[in-house]
Amino acid sequence: DAGITQSPRHKVTETGTPVTLRCHQTENHRYMYWYRQDPGHGLRLIHYSYGVKDTDKGEVSDGYSVSRSKTEDFLLTLESATSSQTSVYFCAISEKVISYNEQFFGPGTRLTVL
Amino acid sequence: GQSLEQPSEVTAVEGAIVQINCTYQTSGFYGLSWYQQHDGGAPTFLSYNALDGLEETGRFSSFLSRSDSYGYLLLQELQMKDSASYFCAVQYNQGGKLIFGQGTELSVKP
Repeated sequence: DAGITQSPRHKVTETGTPVTLRCHQTENHRYMYWYRQDPGHGLRLIHYSYGVKDTDKGEVSDGYSVSRSKTEDFLLTLESATSSQTSVYFCAISEKVISYNEQFFGPGTRLTVL
Repeated sequence: GQSLEQPSEVTAVEGAIVQINCTYQTSGFYGLSWYQQHDGGAPTFLSYNALDGLEETGRFSSFLSRSDSYGYLLLQELQMKDSASYFCAVQYNQGGKLIFGQGTELSVKP
């Protein structure tokens, strides 16, 4: 299994509070991604990173920010959590994206915003 | 807008063959992937097609027709452990961005 961990695994928070989720990899893969998964929507890309300090928006980036100061860590921040951000968040990594794109997913973080 | 369409549910019996179809409409296309997910756990990669044709990996095969914006995942010799959700995903830019379908829940019956 690819070495990807996410922390915390579960979190309950209140509306309006800031929340940071961490993704840590030991594979030295260049690309890292944050997705959210909600019933009926599959997986939707929030943000991704193509290198240290290089990030770009996905399809559902509003209300989220990311940072990547080291190859191994990719942080997702909800500046002011809302109930609509209750979801399961998955981090993924990949090394190659041209000709072959296999993404390895972390175990997920279940976030509940009350 | 960008969209992928796949059936929401499929049921089959153990030992049978099942095909899960995926049609897509995206701004760019670099490849079609398939992922498996058990009970909300981490999705796991099954296959990737960048070119037209069939890719075979054990009991699983995946097909792509870029001219038809269509692909499918074929599962042979179904086993109970194959009961899971299956997602198709299109890579639509060079940076590896994926857009996922809503998933097909496969139930394998004895």
